[in-house]
Amino acid sequence: GQQLNQSPQSMFIQEGEDVSMNCTSSSIFNTWLWYKQDPGEGPVLLIALYKAGELTSNGRLTAQFGITRKDSFLNISASIPSDVGIYFCAGQVPDKIIFGKGTRLHILP
Amino acid sequence: GAVVSQHPSRVICKSGTSVKIECRSLDFQATTMFWYRQFPKQSLMLMATSNEGSKATYEQGVEKDKFLINHASLTLSTLTVTSAHPEDSSFYICSARDRDSYNEQFFGPGTRLTVL
Repeated sequence: GQQLNQSPQSMFIQEGEDVSMNCTSSSIFNTWLWYKQDPGEGPVLLIALYKAGELTSNGRLTAQFGITRKDSFLNISASIPSDVGIYFCAGQVPDKIIFGKGTRLHILP
Repeated sequence: GAVVSQHPSRVICKSGTSVKIECRSLDFQATTMFWYRQFPKQSLMLMATSNEGSKATYEQGVEKDKFLINHASLTLSTLTVTSAHPEDSSFYICSARDRDSYNEQFFGPGTRLTVL
């Protein structure tokens, strides 16, 4: 079946640092999505990517849809304490969303 | 806009009992709703897709007789965990696809189920 490999699994960074995480797949997706999940809550959509090569920003977040349509990355600039959480990449096929395993972001004081 | 609610947010039940979880789209109509399960420190795994007025489609390995899904209206889907056991304890999350926005799914806040 379709699987997404997300890395790193977890990150420990200092406040103010930039963050980069990525996602790869053995399958092609027409839509890539990036979500953030806070403890005990549902995921919240951060960025949606619809075209290969597309680079999209949302505030301090930037994500790109890989040319091959098999990968995507998410960057967070100048991290702040509220960025803590789990970030999931997801690929969308017509009838469902397939999630990566997540990247846990920890920010050291 | 595009708010999805779930009720209850937390439920604790005894082993062998059944539990019903509701998922509502508050400000849009959803022809399709999805049910996910998330175990601690793991990803969201799709359990089933629920279409209004028809039978749900279950993912491989998900028992349809144990996880009963009903999508009786364009704003409500329910998941009933029948004869719950401790291994069913998990975080259950629903999402809804706006009828007028085919691509986008909106997620609910989740329901924490603990089976004693």
